[in-house]
Amino acid sequence: GAVVSQHPSRVICKSGTSVKIECRSLDFQATTMFWYRQFPKQSLMLMATSNEGSKATYEQGVEKDKFLINHASLTLSTLTVTSAHPEDSSFYICSARSTGAQETQYFGPGTRLLVL
Amino acid sequence: DAKTTQPNSMESNEEEPVHLPCNHSTISGTDYIHWYRQLPSQGPEYVIHGLTSNVNNRMASLAIAEDRKSSTLILHRATLRDAAVYYCIRTLYNQGGKLIFGQGTELSVKP
Repeated sequence: GAVVSQHPSRVICKSGTSVKIECRSLDFQATTMFWYRQFPKQSLMLMATSNEGSKATYEQGVEKDKFLINHASLTLSTLTVTSAHPEDSSFYICSARSTGAQETQYFGPGTRLLVL
Repeated sequence: DAKTTQPNSMESNEEEPVHLPCNHSTISGTDYIHWYRQLPSQGPEYVIHGLTSNVNNRMASLAIAEDRKSSTLILHRATLRDAAVYYCIRTLYNQGGKLIFGQGTELSVKP
């Protein structure tokens, strides 16, 4: 299957700082990338959908000014958690898909964020 | 509601087949059914997907009911490495192919 990477795998930051997470599709061009968040013992929650070269579409209840998403190329999307607070501590996972809404999404390994 | 319905947990013995059920009674004609599995602290791993016909790959088989309101993921011979949370998901074609995760089925495999 296709390979998606995330960097960093783990990050610890102080409250009030911003954190950037990168998501890369390594062996295919991803026209669409998705960002999810997962709290302990819970399922994945879709945060936003990003298409290359256009603004991200956020799910209801997700603050677009807090979670900045940039999909600048067909292989890279970034999620920036601005002014992070302890309640933002979570497991952030991206997925990437090539063309077509029916195509399979391939997931990255996830980024564990801990805000102190 | 776009979420599917799955049992919270299932148990299997190693080397035996496992049938994981999923109900998706509100599925539309263009929605695919995807199955992913997730190990702790890892991203979900693609298992299989289908639209109408039964599907087979090296990991599993997917049996889709004729009315498409339910499906079953079949692991032919469970191994300890198959222990994971299995998610059955409708791919919302008319919403850009979004995946809406439910709670999934936690599969445990006994040696």
